[in-house]
Amino acid sequence: DVKVTQSSRYLVKRTGEKVFLECVQDMDHENMFWYRQDPGLGLRLIYFSYDVKMKEKGDIPEGYSVSREKKERFSLILESASTNQTSMYLCASSSREGQPLHFGNGTRLTVT
Amino acid sequence: SQQGEEDPQALSIQEGENATMNCSYKTSINNLQWYRQNSGRGLVHLILIRSNEREKHSGRLRVTLDTSKKSSSLLITASRAADTASYFCATDANDYKLSFGAGTTVTVRA
Repeated sequence: DVKVTQSSRYLVKRTGEKVFLECVQDMDHENMFWYRQDPGLGLRLIYFSYDVKMKEKGDIPEGYSVSREKKERFSLILESASTNQTSMYLCASSSREGQPLHFGNGTRLTVT
Repeated sequence: SQQGEEDPQALSIQEGENATMNCSYKTSINNLQWYRQNSGRGLVHLILIRSNEREKHSGRLRVTLDTSKKSSSLLITASRAADTASYFCATDANDYKLSFGAGTTVTVRA
């Protein structure tokens, strides 16, 4: 079974801090994704990567960046956290385009 | 952008009853997928239906797809308390990105 592991379940950060959210998958998947989930808005794609060192903007990339130095690891970076980035962040991976996503359990980030 | 929209937003049913939820989308798709999310957890993939398929079954789940109406439905038969969750449809438009709707919250009463 594919395992997608997010480093933290809960995180509390202060406004202006640089925040790193880490995600690791163990099935040699090509594609990795970062979504944020907010009530009533569903999941919105922040960034995705279809290969090592490759990244593509999703629908809401502003205020975020990503890093994929190794195939199994995809990091989401909040350069300067703001209160409107308080949300549930979900990492996912897939073997190739069009295939089902495998999700981690999420990181609930609160920015105060 | 949010491609899929689920309807209804919330559903409450008695154990043993069937639950039906619908998903509408806007553009052409390669496939449509349904996911379940238990409270505070990540999403779990349930079923994938390709654009050239009309119906698919998996255990107590039945999914239909009508590409002419750009809509899909998910039926859960003989519901159980463990089916209490949020259900999301997601569309794949052949561009790496899956677009999710806002979800249907299903509560199964004992």
